[in-house]
Amino acid sequence: DGGITQSPKYLFRKEGQNVTLSCEQNLNHDAMYWYRQDPGQGLRLIYYSQIVNDFQKGDIAEGYSVSREKKESFPLTVTSAQKNPTAFYLCASSAKSQGRETQYFGPGTRLLVL
Amino acid sequence: KQEVTQIPAALSVPEGENLVLNCSFTDSAIYNLQWFRQDPGKGLTSLLLIQSSQREQTSGRLNASLDKSSGRSTLYIAASQPGDSATYLCACNSGGSNYKLTFGKGTLLTVNP
Repeated sequence: DGGITQSPKYLFRKEGQNVTLSCEQNLNHDAMYWYRQDPGQGLRLIYYSQIVNDFQKGDIAEGYSVSREKKESFPLTVTSAQKNPTAFYLCASSAKSQGRETQYFGPGTRLLVL
Repeated sequence: KQEVTQIPAALSVPEGENLVLNCSFTDSAIYNLQWFRQDPGKGLTSLLLIQSSQREQTSGRLNASLDKSSGRSTLYIAASQPGDSATYLCACNSGGSNYKLTFGKGTLLTVNP
């Protein structure tokens, strides 16, 4: 069953705590992305990776960190430096196929602050 | 910096009606444009992708058009059904080889039976 999985579905963070959101894909896609979605807002790009061991900051990278040690996995850590982490986090992936890339999205993780 | 605007923010129609959702973008140098559907609390599902060299794409009851010169795209939904109720998001790829998407805020569509 090919696709993108995100876990957990809900995540609770205590103040000052770092938390990590998981994203795994078995689509053999080179590129992976993390977006943040706030109510009434469009998706905003946090980080993206076009290839293993390489990633770039998106538009709102402050307070977040990522790694890309395996092609299938692109975990996102929300650090204590992110002062307003409550949001819906979406992971996506795309193949490099002559520019006709469609991004495929996971089901999302909702992060709440206790 | 690319900015994407979607109008209206919300739309409510009776079942069976044809409808149009609008998307505008400020930088016409796009690589492609994509329309997505998002159900409440869920991820995004790609509906249609239009390359910069294309004028429209069709899939079933959906038709998306692209006019780069005016910075506009429309999503036409024919014979709407209650199951079409969702948020529809437009996204522009302005990054060429780096595949970055800029999203609009979406249009919340409600189709009433």
